[in-house]
Amino acid sequence: QVQLVESGGGSVKPGGSLRLSCAASGFTFSDYYMSWIRQPPGKGLEWVAKISNSGSSIYLADSLKGRFTISRDNAKNSLYLQMNSLRVEDTAVYYCARDGYNYAWDVWGHGTTVTVSS
Amino acid sequence: QSALTQPPSASGSPGQSVAISCTGTSSDVGAYNFVSWYQHHPGKAPRLMIYEVTRRPSGVPDRFSGSKSGNTASLTVSGLQAEDEADYYCTSHAGSINLLFGGGTKLTVL
Repeated sequence: QVQLVESGGGSVKPGGSLRLSCAASGFTFSDYYMSWIRQPPGKGLEWVAKISNSGSSIYLADSLKGRFTISRDNAKNSLYLQMNSLRVEDTAVYYCARDGYNYAWDVWGHGTTVTVSS
Repeated sequence: QSALTQPPSASGSPGQSVAISCTGTSSDVGAYNFVSWYQHHPGKAPRLMIYEVTRRPSGVPDRFSGSKSGNTASLTVSGLQAEDEADYYCTSHAGSINLLFGGGTKLTVL
């Protein structure tokens, strides 16, 4: 079945780095744009980044430019989010999602938790 | 403060209908027919319920419907069921690659 499974979350000190991964299965990964969306504790959802199906086009939320980057490996059916210079406010559950329709995500993973704390 | 405004809570009894609003501006909700709605049970993966204002993905019950008037979009849940109790988020395209979220509405089935 169509599935996305995130991994790589954990606890890190401010200023640290983490790399999140998202393994896709059940569909032709290289056909789809993919995104990362996050949810800080007690808050709503926030779009983080998007990447084109080939990986040639990358889009990041303005507030995250320079610290986060998104990439993919279509041969491995995998999506990545490299997060550097992490801040306390980056603490959130991070979801990967498939851009299945115009400006809508039709498949989501269950999320991976990132905690940034000293 | 979220870019799109949703009521923090909504409620209804089983079998009733409830509507959740999502208010933006003439630059987002009012400008594009790219409003989506997501259902989120805490601890689970969010689920797309409505896309392009009114369209339902395969598998979503027809009890869920979407509409838009001016700068406000709405999600209506008819024939409320206990499993509909969840958080609901709207999103809207806002030009270029911008996609705005609402702050979420907690739907309680009484």
